[in-house]
Amino acid sequence: GQNIDQPTEMTATEGAIVQINCTYQTSGFNGLFWYQQHAGEAPTFLSYNVLDGLEEKGRFSSFLSRSKGYSYLLLKELQMKDSASYLCAVLTDSWGKLQFGAGTQVVVTP
Amino acid sequence: DGGITQSPKYLFRKEGQNVTLSCEQNLNHDAMYWYRQDPGQGLRLIYYSQIVNDFQKGDIAEGYSVSREKKESFPLTVTSAQKNPTAFYLCASSDRGLNEQYFGPGTRLTVT
Repeated sequence: GQNIDQPTEMTATEGAIVQINCTYQTSGFNGLFWYQQHAGEAPTFLSYNVLDGLEEKGRFSSFLSRSKGYSYLLLKELQMKDSASYLCAVLTDSWGKLQFGAGTQVVVTP
Repeated sequence: DGGITQSPKYLFRKEGQNVTLSCEQNLNHDAMYWYRQDPGQGLRLIYYSQIVNDFQKGDIAEGYSVSREKKESFPLTVTSAQKNPTAFYLCASSDRGLNEQYFGPGTRLTVT
């Protein structure tokens, strides 16, 4: 079966750093995506990793270890607008079949 | 302005009725997808389509049907056979299966 695990909720202070972990066990692997979703809105693309290592994009970085079935999303210099759900998703085939985790709700406090 | 549109944003239906949710994209993407999201859960794939006139079942296709007669459009019908249809439905598209998916604003369906 497919299994993608991420913490349910994390709380951090404005200006701090938060790391959201994602572990996966899937039947196939063609890359891992991170999406941000504000309540009641559509998910928006943050990052994509297909090779091992760190991808940096402004305040957001994402890391992948395929041998460990592990990824993390690092959010630096947290802002209030970063309060949202962060979704880890594994591309399990070459046709676009994405398997999503349940999402991690990040709460940023002043 | 390129993007994906879904309408309406909120939809209310009585139990036993079929309802069709629209999804249109002008991004010239080949692939389109339908997901369902329930509170506290991740997105689950209902159907996806890589090209016109072709589509595949996702993980939870029972009680749903789709068509892909035009590249821009991928409507989803929620039939009366779907036992728990109340949910947030999201449509997405990508230019190829391996690329990131862009999501529409979603339709919140309530069936009573």
